[in-house]
Amino acid sequence: AQSVTQLGSHVSVSEGALVLLRCNYSSSVPPYLFWYVQYPNQGLQLLLKYTTGATLVKGINGFEAEFKKSETSFHLTKPSAHMSDAAEYFCAVGYTGGGNKLTFGTGTQLKVEL
Amino acid sequence: DTAVSQTPKYLVTQMGNDKSIKCEQNLGHDTMYWYKQDSKKFLKIMFSYNNKELIINETVPNRFSPKSPDKAHLNLHINSLELGDSAVYFCASSPSLTGQKYEQYFGPGTRLTVT
Repeated sequence: AQSVTQLGSHVSVSEGALVLLRCNYSSSVPPYLFWYVQYPNQGLQLLLKYTTGATLVKGINGFEAEFKKSETSFHLTKPSAHMSDAAEYFCAVGYTGGGNKLTFGTGTQLKVEL
Repeated sequence: DTAVSQTPKYLVTQMGNDKSIKCEQNLGHDTMYWYKQDSKKFLKIMFSYNNKELIINETVPNRFSPKSPDKAHLNLHINSLELGDSAVYFCASSPSLTGQKYEQYFGPGTRLTVT
Protein backbone atom coordinates (compact mmCIF):
# COMPACT_ATOMS: atom_id res chain seq x y z
CA ALA A 1 0.00 0.00 0.00
CA GLN A 2 1.12 3.52 -0.65
CA SER A 3 0.72 6.59 1.49
CA VAL A 4 1.68 10.24 1.49
CA THR A 5 2.32 12.49 4.45
CA GLN A 6 2.37 16.23 4.07
CA LEU A 7 3.87 17.87 7.11
CA GLY A 8 2.10 21.07 8.04
CA SER A 9 -1.47 21.56 6.99
CA HIS A 10 -0.87 25.31 6.96
CA VAL A 11 2.32 27.12 5.95
CA SER A 12 2.72 30.87 6.02
CA VAL A 13 5.55 32.75 4.32
CA SER A 14 6.31 36.35 3.53
CA GLU A 15 6.27 37.52 -0.05
CA GLY A 16 9.75 37.03 -1.49
CA ALA A 17 10.68 34.34 1.02
CA LEU A 18 11.53 30.73 0.30
CA VAL A 19 8.61 28.33 0.00
CA LEU A 20 9.16 24.80 1.32
CA LEU A 21 6.29 22.33 1.39
CA ARG A 22 7.13 18.91 2.73
CA CYS A 23 6.03 15.57 1.34
CA ASN A 24 7.08 12.11 2.46
CA TYR A 25 5.81 8.98 0.82
CA SER A 26 5.66 5.29 1.51
CA SER A 27 5.79 2.84 -1.35
CA SER A 28 6.98 -0.74 -1.69
CA VAL A 29 7.76 -0.20 -5.36
CA PRO A 30 9.44 2.65 -7.26
CA PRO A 31 7.04 5.54 -7.01
CA TYR A 32 5.80 8.18 -9.37
CA LEU A 33 5.40 11.46 -7.52
CA PHE A 34 3.36 14.54 -8.28
CA TRP A 35 2.59 17.95 -6.89
CA TYR A 36 -0.72 19.59 -7.66
CA VAL A 37 -2.02 23.05 -6.79
CA GLN A 38 -5.65 23.91 -6.13
CA TYR A 39 -6.82 27.52 -6.16
CA PRO A 40 -10.09 28.33 -4.40
CA ASN A 41 -13.13 26.82 -6.09
CA GLN A 42 -11.04 25.33 -8.87
CA GLY A 43 -9.78 21.94 -9.93
CA LEU A 44 -6.29 20.62 -9.39
CA GLN A 45 -3.50 21.77 -11.66
CA LEU A 46 -0.36 19.73 -12.16
CA LEU A 47 2.73 21.59 -10.96
CA LEU A 48 5.37 18.95 -11.63
CA LYS A 49 6.03 15.24 -11.67
CA TYR A 50 8.78 12.72 -11.09
CA THR A 51 8.67 9.38 -12.87
CA THR A 52 12.26 8.31 -13.60
CA GLY A 53 15.54 9.97 -14.44
CA ALA A 54 16.66 13.30 -13.04
CA THR A 55 15.71 13.59 -9.41
CA LEU A 56 15.40 17.38 -9.45
CA VAL A 57 12.33 18.29 -11.42
CA LYS A 58 11.19 21.72 -12.42
CA GLY A 59 7.59 22.68 -12.80
CA ILE A 60 5.42 25.61 -13.64
CA ASN A 61 5.40 28.96 -11.85
CA GLY A 62 9.00 28.59 -10.65
CA PHE A 63 8.41 25.54 -8.46
CA GLU A 64 10.73 22.58 -8.26
CA ALA A 65 10.97 19.40 -6.25
CA GLU A 66 13.67 16.87 -5.52
CA PHE A 67 13.11 13.15 -5.25
CA LYS A 68 15.22 11.72 -2.44
CA LYS A 69 14.85 7.98 -2.29
CA SER A 70 16.93 7.59 0.85
CA GLU A 71 14.66 10.02 2.69
CA THR A 72 11.46 8.94 0.90
CA SER A 73 10.79 12.60 0.32
CA PHE A 74 9.60 14.84 -2.49
CA HIS A 75 9.60 18.34 -1.05
CA LEU A 76 8.34 21.27 -3.09
CA THR A 77 10.29 24.52 -3.15
CA LYS A 78 10.18 27.94 -4.71
CA PRO A 79 12.94 30.49 -4.11
CA SER A 80 10.70 33.53 -3.83
CA ALA A 81 7.03 33.44 -2.90
CA HIS A 82 4.49 35.56 -4.69
CA MET A 83 1.05 36.52 -3.50
CA SER A 84 -0.43 34.52 -6.36
CA ASP A 85 1.11 31.33 -4.91
CA ALA A 86 -1.44 31.29 -2.10
CA ALA A 87 -3.36 28.05 -2.64
CA GLU A 88 -3.74 24.46 -1.47
CA TYR A 89 -0.94 22.12 -2.51
CA PHE A 90 -1.26 18.37 -2.79
CA CYS A 91 1.44 15.74 -3.06
CA ALA A 92 0.47 12.45 -4.69
CA VAL A 93 2.09 9.07 -5.27
CA GLY A 94 1.43 6.41 -7.86
CA TYR A 95 3.35 3.47 -9.28
CA THR A 96 3.63 1.48 -12.45
CA GLY A 97 1.17 -1.35 -12.58
CA GLY A 98 -1.07 0.35 -10.07
CA GLY A 99 -3.78 1.11 -12.58
CA ASN A 100 -2.66 4.69 -12.42
CA LYS A 101 -4.22 5.07 -9.00
CA LEU A 102 -2.92 8.15 -7.24
CA THR A 103 -2.88 8.42 -3.47
CA PHE A 104 -3.01 12.01 -2.32
CA GLY A 105 -1.71 13.67 0.81
CA THR A 106 -4.02 15.73 2.96
CA GLY A 107 -2.83 18.99 1.45
CA THR A 108 -0.96 22.06 2.65
CA GLN A 109 -2.57 25.47 2.61
CA LEU A 110 0.05 28.06 1.65
CA LYS A 111 -0.53 31.60 2.82
CA VAL A 112 1.64 34.42 1.48
CA GLU A 113 1.81 37.59 3.51
CA LEU A 114 3.06 41.04 2.57
CA ASP B 1 -10.60 25.24 -25.02
CA THR B 2 -11.61 23.37 -21.90
CA ALA B 3 -9.60 20.17 -21.49
CA VAL B 4 -11.72 18.40 -18.86
CA SER B 5 -15.20 19.76 -18.31
CA GLN B 6 -17.89 18.82 -15.85
CA THR B 7 -21.56 19.66 -15.59
CA PRO B 8 -23.11 20.92 -13.50
CA LYS B 9 -20.71 23.01 -11.46
CA TYR B 10 -23.11 23.19 -8.53
CA LEU B 11 -25.78 20.68 -7.60
CA VAL B 12 -28.14 21.14 -4.66
CA THR B 13 -30.64 18.39 -4.03
CA GLN B 14 -32.60 16.66 -1.30
CA MET B 15 -31.91 13.37 0.38
CA GLY B 16 -33.25 10.40 -1.47
CA ASN B 17 -33.02 11.97 -4.92
CA ASP B 18 -31.06 10.55 -7.86
CA LYS B 19 -28.61 12.79 -9.70
CA SER B 20 -25.96 12.59 -12.39
CA ILE B 21 -22.74 14.45 -13.05
CA LYS B 22 -21.27 14.50 -16.52
CA CYS B 23 -17.62 14.67 -17.53
CA GLU B 24 -16.02 15.13 -20.91
CA GLN B 25 -12.39 15.42 -21.94
CA ASN B 26 -11.10 16.64 -25.29
CA LEU B 27 -7.48 15.66 -24.71
CA GLY B 28 -7.70 12.34 -26.50
CA HIS B 29 -6.81 10.52 -23.29
CA ASP B 30 -7.54 6.84 -22.72
CA THR B 31 -8.16 6.92 -18.98
CA MET B 32 -10.68 8.82 -16.88
CA TYR B 33 -11.34 9.02 -13.15
CA TRP B 34 -13.76 10.19 -10.51
CA TYR B 35 -12.49 11.60 -7.23
CA LYS B 36 -14.34 12.78 -4.14
CA GLN B 37 -13.00 15.71 -2.13
CA ASP B 38 -14.52 16.00 1.32
CA SER B 39 -14.99 19.07 3.47
CA LYS B 40 -11.43 18.74 4.79
CA LYS B 41 -10.17 18.74 1.19
CA PHE B 42 -9.10 15.11 1.34
CA LEU B 43 -9.06 13.61 -2.14
CA LYS B 44 -9.93 9.99 -2.70
CA ILE B 45 -10.26 8.09 -5.93
CA MET B 46 -13.61 6.45 -6.58
CA PHE B 47 -13.38 4.94 -10.04
CA SER B 48 -11.20 4.83 -13.10
CA TYR B 49 -11.96 3.72 -16.64
CA ASN B 50 -9.55 2.90 -19.41
CA ASN B 51 -11.02 2.82 -22.91
CA LYS B 52 -14.48 2.38 -21.41
CA GLU B 53 -13.36 -0.50 -19.21
CA LEU B 54 -13.60 -0.24 -15.42
CA ILE B 55 -10.11 -0.43 -13.93
CA ILE B 56 -10.41 0.88 -10.38
CA ASN B 57 -13.47 0.57 -8.20
CA GLU B 58 -12.67 1.66 -4.68
CA THR B 59 -14.94 0.82 -1.77
CA VAL B 60 -17.69 3.11 -2.90
CA PRO B 61 -21.35 2.45 -2.05
CA ASN B 62 -23.14 0.79 -4.93
CA ARG B 63 -25.47 3.81 -5.02
CA PHE B 64 -22.66 5.32 -7.12
CA SER B 65 -22.55 4.02 -10.65
CA PRO B 66 -20.12 5.30 -13.27
CA LYS B 67 -20.81 4.97 -16.97
CA SER B 68 -18.43 5.53 -19.85
CA PRO B 69 -20.27 5.69 -23.18
CA ASP B 70 -16.98 6.36 -24.97
CA LYS B 71 -13.45 7.10 -23.88
CA ALA B 72 -14.03 10.85 -23.91
CA HIS B 73 -16.93 10.71 -21.44
CA LEU B 74 -17.32 9.39 -17.92
CA ASN B 75 -20.54 10.11 -16.08
CA LEU B 76 -21.38 9.50 -12.45
CA HIS B 77 -24.88 8.60 -11.37
CA ILE B 78 -25.81 8.65 -7.71
CA ASN B 79 -28.95 7.00 -6.38
CA SER B 80 -30.74 7.72 -3.13
CA LEU B 81 -28.54 10.62 -2.15
CA GLU B 82 -27.47 10.91 1.48
CA LEU B 83 -26.19 13.82 3.52
CA GLY B 84 -22.72 12.25 3.57
CA ASP B 85 -22.54 12.44 -0.20
CA SER B 86 -22.11 16.20 0.04
CA ALA B 87 -18.64 16.91 -1.36
CA VAL B 88 -16.84 18.19 -4.41
CA TYR B 89 -16.55 15.58 -7.13
CA PHE B 90 -13.69 15.86 -9.58
CA CYS B 91 -13.32 14.19 -12.91
CA ALA B 92 -9.82 13.67 -14.27
CA SER B 93 -8.14 12.10 -17.26
CA SER B 94 -4.68 10.81 -18.14
CA PRO B 95 -3.02 9.83 -21.41
CA SER B 96 -2.68 6.14 -20.65
CA LEU B 97 -2.16 3.45 -18.05
CA THR B 98 1.26 2.47 -19.26
CA GLY B 99 4.52 4.19 -19.83
CA GLN B 100 5.35 7.39 -18.05
CA LYS B 101 2.31 9.39 -19.01
CA TYR B 102 0.69 9.08 -15.63
CA GLU B 103 -0.14 12.68 -14.98
CA GLN B 104 -3.79 13.33 -14.44
CA TYR B 105 -5.64 16.42 -15.59
CA PHE B 106 -8.55 17.54 -13.47
CA GLY B 107 -11.85 19.17 -14.26
CA PRO B 108 -13.20 22.17 -12.33
CA GLY B 109 -15.26 20.05 -9.95
CA THR B 110 -18.94 19.68 -9.13
CA ARG B 111 -20.00 20.83 -5.69
CA LEU B 112 -22.82 18.55 -4.54
CA THR B 113 -24.88 19.64 -1.57
CA VAL B 114 -27.47 17.26 -0.18
CA THR B 115 -30.06 18.78 2.15
